[in-house]
Amino acid sequence: QSVLTQPPSVSAAPGQKVTISCSGSSSNIGNNYVSWYQQLPGTAPKLLIYDNNKRPSGIPDRFSGSKSGTSATLGITGLQTGDEADYYCGTWDSSLSGVVFGGGTKLTVL
Amino acid sequence: EVQLLESGGGLVQPGGSLRLSCAASGFTFSSFAMTWVRQAPGKGLEWVSAISGSGASTYYADSVKGRFTISRDYSKNTLYLQMNSLRAEDTAVYYCAKPGGDYTVMDVWGQGTTVTVSS
Repeated sequence: QSVLTQPPSVSAAPGQKVTISCSGSSSNIGNNYVSWYQQLPGTAPKLLIYDNNKRPSGIPDRFSGSKSGTSATLGITGLQTGDEADYYCGTWDSSLSGVVFGGGTKLTVL
Repeated sequence: EVQLLESGGGLVQPGGSLRLSCAASGFTFSSFAMTWVRQAPGKGLEWVSAISGSGASTYYADSVKGRFTISRDYSKNTLYLQMNSLRAEDTAVYYCAKPGGDYTVMDVWGQGTTVTVSS
């Protein structure tokens, strides 16, 4: 049981938009920045979004992040088959004094 | 180029010990915190441990507290994870990662090393 709650799966057609939610509490998302990671099959995770809505160099602006209260959202527009991956949210939990991740969301581009 | 290269994984019996290493290159090792994250077969990411740039502060997930120890050797630019009293549920791919900002902004990851705990 993960501290952060994500939907197990989402799907959409190529070219469409999808959002992935991440729900937490005041001890984690509510008072800390959120990061998002993409994990393609068989590879290490890759930082996609940090500080709620910032993109590292090289990450296309099709990927966006937002946060409101104790929830965060990852948005992906112009879906491509290459976006099929598992997506994880992560943040610091002040009560646990550690990093917590969501359970992951598998994105299928139909 | 910033690189992290893990090693030390393998098959170990329940109750046994293993030490993982993560060789860092391409950045000033002492300036950055480092973390370990694991992923059990078919499961999601689980944060394991973190250590500050100075080494003065360490953090552990409850699931490994008291059994795992994180450390770093600045002369070798290497991060370690000493794992004792291993259990079947510790079976996973272990990644080391470098936070670029706070501990949650892991902008560089290694390729992972596999630990299997089984008799």
